[in-house]
Amino acid sequence: DIQMTQSPSSLSASVGDRVTITCRAGQSISTYLNWYQQRPGKAPILLIYAASTLQSGVPSRFSGSGSGTDFTLTISSLQPEDFATYYCQQSYSTPLTFGGGTKVEI
Amino acid sequence: QVQLQESGPGLVKPSETLSLTCAVSGHSISSGYYWGWIRQPPGVGLEWVGSIHHSGSTYYDPSLKSRVTISVDTSKSQFSLKLTSVTAADTAVYYCVGGRWLQTFDSWGQGNLVTVSS
Repeated sequence: DIQMTQSPSSLSASVGDRVTITCRAGQSISTYLNWYQQRPGKAPILLIYAASTLQSGVPSRFSGSGSGTDFTLTISSLQPEDFATYYCQQSYSTPLTFGGGTKVEI
Repeated sequence: QVQLQESGPGLVKPSETLSLTCAVSGHSISSGYYWGWIRQPPGVGLEWVGSIHHSGSTYYDPSLKSRVTISVDTSKSQFSLKLTSVTAADTAVYYCVGGRWLQTFDSWGQGNLVTVSS
């Protein structure tokens, strides 16, 4: 199984801040990496797929980068609705695996 | 816009079978999408359970493979999850998911909390 490790596990930020979340894969996965956002009590939603492609309808303040084993999700200017938990997921091979999540708090 | 709605019991006894169904609307279940299940134990992260293509091809997490069956009923536009011999470790919110590719989940149901307890 491909281990996915996110850092930090939580962070505190303010509205308007630039936020960066890191995800590391246990082996090279090229750009087979997705990012999801989960607000409290809600189902996750797909933000970014293939490491850097924005899902339709997702605000442009979200961006993703990376390849191989190291990836980042960046929120350029944090908005109130962005306080949530973010998960990375490798889409390189089954079993599909997720990172442990990064909780973005006020 | 694909819409997914889970249904099933919220409480299952240990050693029994967990059964959930996901109704698909807004998209043909036979259109080439992949359908699947992801679970989230309380306070923990996300775990992929397995997926199915409308053609019937299935893909399961190896750690659950001996206990899991995912099937599609095209006549009812729904797919189902069965997990046998459940224990407390199977307590989780179960989400049904769909996507254009096996590995990416662009549609999610609202989630169904299943508690395993006597």
